[in-house]
Amino acid sequence: DAMVIQNPRYQVTQFGKPVTLSCSQTLNHNVMYWYQQKSSQAPKLLFHYYDKDFNNEADTPDNFQSRRPNTSFCFLDIRSPGLGDAAMYLCATSLRGGGETQYFGPGTRLLVL
Amino acid sequence: GNSVTQMEGPVTLSEEAFLTINCTYTATGYPSLFWYVQYPGEGLQLLLKATKADDKGSNKGFEATYRKETTSFHLEKGSVQVSDSAVYFCALSLPFQETSGSRLTFGEGTQLTVNP
Repeated sequence: DAMVIQNPRYQVTQFGKPVTLSCSQTLNHNVMYWYQQKSSQAPKLLFHYYDKDFNNEADTPDNFQSRRPNTSFCFLDIRSPGLGDAAMYLCATSLRGGGETQYFGPGTRLLVL
Repeated sequence: GNSVTQMEGPVTLSEEAFLTINCTYTATGYPSLFWYVQYPGEGLQLLLKATKADDKGSNKGFEATYRKETTSFHLEKGSVQVSDSAVYFCALSLPFQETSGSRLTFGEGTQLTVNP
């Protein structure tokens, strides 16, 4: 089945230690998104890629970076995690011209010690 | 700006009860409307969607109708089950823009608990 995959499902890191979360998709969608979600609040968009074009949200901290080496993969890098960055990180994809529906992965829960 | 307002939760029902979760929206242009469901510890799953006025989305016994005149997209189910316990998010998106993608604007989410 076509899907969005996130690895790992759970990630523990130390305060200030860089961490990378990964997302892959078999949907061949040209748009990929990263969201941060805290405590069952609504997800907050961090940034998205349209093909290779990166679009950062204005209020996304510089501590968060992203890479998309190819259509299938997208990475979220947190350069110096703080305690406030502990959250669920959700990857989503959509197809431009495909009805604007976003499909989400299962998420990675990040714990910062 | 665009916004989505959901009924406040949490909502607690007994099994086989009727469910309504209200959702209203404000948007410029012609949004698509969505309901997503999130089970504990999981990502968001698309439950149903509607892309134009008077469309009805339906899935797994859930339904919602895109009402442009009342700017609403209320979620209903005739008989809930314990397995429906989850957080439900109403959302809208507008046509794709390169700087914002198909940006989803979410409601606050409604926690539903169904007791046996």
